[in-house]
Amino acid sequence: AQKVTQAQTEISVVEKEDVTLDCVYETRDTTYYLFWYKQPPSGELVFLIRRNSFDEQNEISGRYSWNFQKSTSSFNFTITASQVVDSAVYFCALSAANFGNEKLTFGTGTRLTIIP
Amino acid sequence: DAMVIQNPRYQVTQFGKPVTLSCSQTLNHNVMYWYQQKSSQAPKLLFHYYDKDFNNEADTPDNFQSRRPNTSFCFLDIRSPGLGDAAMYLCATSRSGGGPSYNEQFFGPGTRLTVL
Repeated sequence: AQKVTQAQTEISVVEKEDVTLDCVYETRDTTYYLFWYKQPPSGELVFLIRRNSFDEQNEISGRYSWNFQKSTSSFNFTITASQVVDSAVYFCALSAANFGNEKLTFGTGTRLTIIP
Repeated sequence: DAMVIQNPRYQVTQFGKPVTLSCSQTLNHNVMYWYQQKSSQAPKLLFHYYDKDFNNEADTPDNFQSRRPNTSFCFLDIRSPGLGDAAMYLCATSRSGGGPSYNEQFFGPGTRLTVL
């Protein structure tokens, strides 16, 4: 069975501070995908990143960066120089990489509040 | 822009009165999903269509049904809504078969259902 744990329920930081959102996963699959989604107050889930389990390189996209460590089953997300627009609920998710079995298993989410 | 559209954005129904939520997509994705998301919880997969094949989650109540008349449209029918069915309902699509953006789920803005 797959499981995603986001231990941080809520985080508040002052604008311009860096913040890291933790994600730990469990799976028996040898090949899988990891995702991060952002859910602003409007409700729509916005895709941020997909990472294949074979690719352990860290990724940076603007102020966002992701640290994938297979040895610790973690896929952490860092926002640098946070902004008020980053306030949202962030979900980490996991799926198998088998065709026809791409269901997402979500973590419980981390509510991030950026204080102006 | 290609997208996932959900109508209506807000739906109010009475206890026990059938309701239908709709989802359409212009992405030409072959997989479509319906999620239920209750307040402060992660999205929960109800079912998904892999092409025309319907896949029901084991714990999805019989009260929830779905139809996919063609590639672009998918409907969620709640036959007898109860108070516990009040939630945000999210539709998502993805493309199976490998390649770029494979398995990335694109979400619609959701329909918030209120049951009186």
